[in-house]
Amino acid sequence: GAGVSQSPSNKVTEKGKDVELRCDPISGHTALYWYRQSLGQGLEFLIYFQGNSAPDKSGLPSDRFSAERTGGSVSTLTIQRTQQEDSAVYLCASSPRWGYNEQFFGPGTRLTVL
Amino acid sequence: AQSVTQLGSHVSVSEGALVLLRCNYSSSVPPYLFWYVQYPNQGLQLLLKYTSAATLVKGINGFEAEFKKSETSFHLTKPSAHMSDAAEYFCAVSAPGTSYDKVIFGPGTSLSVIP
Repeated sequence: GAGVSQSPSNKVTEKGKDVELRCDPISGHTALYWYRQSLGQGLEFLIYFQGNSAPDKSGLPSDRFSAERTGGSVSTLTIQRTQQEDSAVYLCASSPRWGYNEQFFGPGTRLTVL
Repeated sequence: AQSVTQLGSHVSVSEGALVLLRCNYSSSVPPYLFWYVQYPNQGLQLLLKYTSAATLVKGINGFEAEFKKSETSFHLTKPSAHMSDAAEYFCAVSAPGTSYDKVIFGPGTSLSVIP
């Protein structure tokens, strides 16, 4: 079946603009994660959705970052008033269940803020 | 809470040589452990996972890892490196059965294979 998909694959924006990044998880996966990967760095956890539970937003770096997951499926990560330090690859992953099952990753969205 | 450390941000090996990538973890409960690989410009792909069954876990592409509770380690090995193994490798830990159910990733180790 289809894997996790993310769009756009690349996004170039100007400082101060808002951007939306989309993630389509694998059908039936109840858990969805967003990570940020800066150049040469590891994965920075951003936010986690599990079913209908309140999301774990503990990793969001500032209130400019928000995410939602509609209907338990598609998720959108929104960054408002982008800054140059937001430039990174944003990875989405989904999992059949929370926590200890493997995560299936999308190819990522490369965001460049000029 | 769990945490992961990976010794060596960059490792170079010759083609055909042993690959050893180190991972140590901390967890308040028996952990689940994972190794992921990331090829350039791609997402992460699961190599192998330990979920409290056999301590020696075999994964894809000839990789294996051994869970050693006494050393809190989960090192990744491959007997003979291939050029195609050049990639970024991430160790990860989760704590099943607890309310803290995120998977925590290590900082990654970049593997270079020298011809």
